[in-house]
Amino acid sequence: AQTVTQSQPEMSVQEAETVTLSCTYDTSESDYYLFWYKQPPSRQMILVIRQEAYKQQNATENRFSVNFQKAAKSFSLKISDSQLGDAAMYFCAYRRLGGGSNYKLTFGKGTLLTVNP
Amino acid sequence: NAGVTQTPKFQVLKTGQSMTLQCAQDMNHNSMYWYRQDPGMGLRLIYYSASEGTTDKGEVPNGYNVSRLNKREFSLRLESAAPSQTSVYFCASSEGTGHTDTQYFGPGTRLTVL
Repeated sequence: AQTVTQSQPEMSVQEAETVTLSCTYDTSESDYYLFWYKQPPSRQMILVIRQEAYKQQNATENRFSVNFQKAAKSFSLKISDSQLGDAAMYFCAYRRLGGGSNYKLTFGKGTLLTVNP
Repeated sequence: NAGVTQTPKFQVLKTGQSMTLQCAQDMNHNSMYWYRQDPGMGLRLIYYSASEGTTDKGEVPNGYNVSRLNKREFSLRLESAAPSQTSVYFCASSEGTGHTDTQYFGPGTRLTVL
C-alpha cells in the first residue's frame, strides 16, 4: 500500500521569505501523480500544484514550485515570497495511475504553516 | 459555477441517530468521493463513485452507506451514529477520465456525535 509522510508537523516563515515543506512517499508504481493541497482555516481543500511522475520537469504555479526527486521518492513544496494568506495546513497527496480504485488519493498528515508579519 | 457544495455545514447528533450528508457538483464530473478528516490525520476515503450508478468502498467504509442519486449528487448516510464518527467530512469530485484526474473538494461538514 502507498504511504505518504510529512515529517514537519509545523513550520513558520517570515512574510516575503521562502519556505520549503517536505513530503516523502512509498510506492512500487512507476507512474503516478502527486499533489499539494492547501487547507486554510475555512477548511476548504484547495489544490496548489500537481506533478505527473512521468514528467522530469518540476511543476510551478506562480510562487509555488516543487522539487520532485523520483528516485528518492521525495516531493517538496517551495513557497517563495510568502504572504500572510499562505498560512494554512498543507497536505501532500499521492494517486496511482488509471481509473477505478486508483482514483483514491492517499494523504499525508499535513504541515501547519504559519506566516509571521 | 459553485463547484462542489455540501449540506449541512455543521451537525450535532446523539449516539444512535441517523442522518444523511448531501453533496452536489456542477462541473459535470463523473467521479465523486467521500472522505473524513480526523485531528492529526490526513483525509481518508470512505466511499467513492467512479461513475453514475456505481459505488465502491474506500479505506474506512464501516458504519456508512452511500447513494449516487444522479450524476450531480452523492450522499453519505450514517444509519446509527457513533462517537467514533465525529469528524469533518469532505465530498470531492473529478472528471474520472484521463491521466490527470484532479479532485476538487467541497467546504466540508463538521459532525459531532455525542
